[in-house]
Formats: sequence, structure tokens, C-alpha cells
Amino acid sequence: GQQVMQIPQYQHVQEGEDFTTYCNSSTTLSNIQWYKQRPGGHPVFLIQLVKSGEVKKQKRLTFQFGEAKKNSSLHITATQTTDVGTYFCAGLDTNAGKSTFGDGTTLTVKP
Amino acid sequence: DAMVIQNPRYQVTQFGKPVTLSCSQTLNHNVMYWYQQKSSQAPKLLFHYYDKDFNNEADTPDNFQSRRPNTSFCFLDIRSPGLGDAAMYLCATSRHRGGGYNEQFFGPGTRLTVL
Repeated sequence: GQQVMQIPQYQHVQEGEDFTTYCNSSTTLSNIQWYKQRPGGHPVFLIQLVKSGEVKKQKRLTFQFGEAKKNSSLHITATQTTDVGTYFCAGLDTNAGKSTFGDGTTLTVKP
Repeated sequence: DAMVIQNPRYQVTQFGKPVTLSCSQTLNHNVMYWYQQKSSQAPKLLFHYYDKDFNNEADTPDNFQSRRPNTSFCFLDIRSPGLGDAAMYLCATSRHRGGGYNEQFFGPGTRLTVL
């Protein structure tokens, strides 16, 4: 079945440093979504990428979808303490008819 | 506000005693999902409904069942909870399963404790 892998599992940064998490799928994706889960909270949708090579920005967050539609990345510029949480990618495999979540990257930010 | 509601937020049950978790939505979405999330892990999809069509994951134990009596409500039944079933159970909805409309809206979750 479809596998979605995310690295790194954990990332500790100093406030102001950049952060990147990478997502790789074993199958070609129809779309990829990114979610953020704050400690003690539930996943909250951030963005969806659909097109090959697509890049979207939300303030300090930049999301990319690979040309082959099998990988994606989330980059945060100049992290803030409000960025702490676990970031999950979720890839939609049309053949499977569902999205599969990656294992997540947990970001901690030291003030 | 349109939202996904889960009740109860915390549930304590005894080993082997059946328990039902509930989820309701005011989004009028076609798809409702149930996930199990254990500490420091990704949400694990148990099953989902597309309208009345039930879709079980291959590795979901038979101990877990679900009902969706109408568009707004979906229930998760755990017939004989074991200690390993202690987890956060998340309900989510999406308008469709694909076509750009599969953004998932999650409820706050129910934290299940098994004694």
C-alpha cells in the first residue's frame, strides 16, 4: 500500500532559525496537504498543493510540491515560538481513494 | 460556526466494557473519518464513510465498529476495549474524498482511558 514518509522526526531550533520538513510518497499523488497539530490539540489544515512543481506561501511558510508529485516540503523562515507543534503531510492517492498521513515532524523552538 | 464536535472529550472505561464515542458535524460534508492517535504518533485511519458507504481499513481490528445514522452524526463503537486501545480518537470530515475537496476538518478528539 501507499507509504508516506516524513523527515526529520524531530527538529529543535533556536527562535529565528529556519526549519524545513520533507515528505516523500511511495506513489504518485493527486494532491498533498499539510496540517499542524499544536501540543494537546488536533490537526488543523494549513494548505493543499495540487499541481506539479507548485509553490505556495503563507507569510513565513513556504510549501512546495515536487515535479514528480511524489514529494513535498514545508519551510518556515525565522521560526517563532508560536510555530511549535507537529507538522503532518497527507498525500492523496487517487487509486487508494484516501489520504495517508506522514509520521509528522515535531518542531520545538527555544526562545 | 460550522464545526466538528466530539463527545465526550474524555472517556474512561473498564477493560472489556463496550464504549461509544460520538461525532457530529454542521458542515454538511459527505465524508466522515475516524482516526486513532497515540502519543507522538501520526493519526491512524480506522475507517471512513462516504455518505452511507462504509470503508474499513484492512488493519482495523474487528473490535472497532462504526455507524453513521445520518449526514451529521457518526459513532465509533469499541466492543471490548483493551489496554492497547487507550488513545486519542479523532473524528474528521471532508466535503469529498478528492477533486480538491478533501481538506479535512478535525474535531477536538476524545481521550479514551482503559482501566
